[in-house]
Amino acid sequence: GESVGLHLPTLSVQEGDNSIINCAYSNSASDYFIWYKQESGKGPQFIIDIRSNMDKRQGQRVTVLLNKTVKHLSLQIAATQPGDSAVYFCAVSSGGYNKLIFGAGTRLAVHP
Amino acid sequence: NAGVTQTPKFQVLKTGQSMTLQCAQDMNHNSMYWYRQDPGMGLRLIYYSASEGTTDKGEVPNGYNVSRLNKREFSLRLESAAPSQTSVYFCATYIGFNTEAFFGQGTRLTVV
Repeated sequence: GESVGLHLPTLSVQEGDNSIINCAYSNSASDYFIWYKQESGKGPQFIIDIRSNMDKRQGQRVTVLLNKTVKHLSLQIAATQPGDSAVYFCAVSSGGYNKLIFGAGTRLAVHP
Repeated sequence: NAGVTQTPKFQVLKTGQSMTLQCAQDMNHNSMYWYRQDPGMGLRLIYYSASEGTTDKGEVPNGYNVSRLNKREFSLRLESAAPSQTSVYFCATYIGFNTEAFFGQGTRLTVV
């Protein structure tokens, strides 16, 4: 069946470094991709999204890269801060939020 | 500006008991979703409501029922709770496809 996976369950970085969180998906018909941040005890919070007609999108300190050829998605966080410590999920859709598949998440730990 | 409000935040049930999880949004969005989140897994869709008066099954609907009471409220009912339903439940809403989704804070349910 369709799957969405992340490459690492935990990522540790030093404060100020750049972080890269990766995600692989299986359905080549996927057309909408979202990254969420979830802090302990809270619901997921939207970070950034990208549609399949794009390969890069930038937000404030975050960049999402999409490689449809290898079905790979990444989230880059520039100058990582302690407040970035959280679990990051990618979610992939092949048509509508009712078809959104979530990855298991990568825990980002930022050390001073 | 509450956004999406879930009640209760925590609940412990005995096997066989019933309960209703409540979700209310004040953003005037059409679509509402119920997810469950289990350790080491991504969020999985239980039920959703594309608009007031309609509900549809998601990936894991067995053991649950829903009611879209009005545009603001979407409730999730467990008629006879089972230990396998121990999870964190999230309600979400968004205005339309490919737009940001907003999540509630979650309900942590334990069935013993």
